Amino acid sequence: RKEVEQDPGPFNVPEGATVAFNCTYSNSASQSFFWYRQDCRKEPKLLMSVYSSGNEDGRFTAQLNRASQYISLLIRDSKLSDSATYLCVVNRRTALIFGKGTTLSVSS
Amino acid sequence: DAGVIQSPRHEVTEMGQEVTLRCKPISGHDYLFWYRQTMMRGLELLIYFNNNVPIDDSGMPEDRFSAKMPNASFSTLKIQPSEPRDSAVYFCASSLQGAVLGANSPLHFGNGTRLTVT
Repeated sequence: RKEVEQDPGPFNVPEGATVAFNCTYSNSASQSFFWYRQDCRKEPKLLMSVYSSGNEDGRFTAQLNRASQYISLLIRDSKLSDSATYLCVVNRRTALIFGKGTTLSVSS
Repeated sequence: DAGVIQSPRHEVTEMGQEVTLRCKPISGHDYLFWYRQTMMRGLELLIYFNNNVPIDDSGMPEDRFSAKMPNASFSTLKIQPSEPRDSAVYFCASSLQGAVLGANSPLHFGNGTRLTVT
């Protein structure tokens, strides 16, 4: 089983739509969870951390279910600029392990 | 802050040749990571260093790959001999204190080196 698994998509949605991405991880000892964003042919950048109680940053909501080893990202009111690949990230000791990413395409 | 600096940006070489990728982390960052990204396998962790000491090299695919960090401001990833299947984007990243502090210590990536081995 891979350490971090994501649905690769692509997700094609119209502007204004709500879209959700899911991720599962295999290492029950992991303590740190993140979503990174990667634009085409660019480096990944931190989008947000994921906390046990769930957390929100503007239109983005992240949730963690430790019992199921499941992480989610919800994007409300999608914008054209949200088009990118979203990477689910989990720690292995002091390193970060990335999922393959889920591609989102928002169209007008 | 200049960010993480990688060189070269692009490298095209023939199978069998030696390839050396270079990275300068952000000053003051104690952790340095090398990742490789392909369409098939995504972003894979190759090796990482803490205070210039290799901590985990289990992701290094073969003995053809080696990495060094002679000082806090420089690291190299060497492939010898290179093969076509090594073609990928290689990213270097640094962070203040690894994944321990979470978002307080995010990974900062360089622009990557796009390697093509023919």
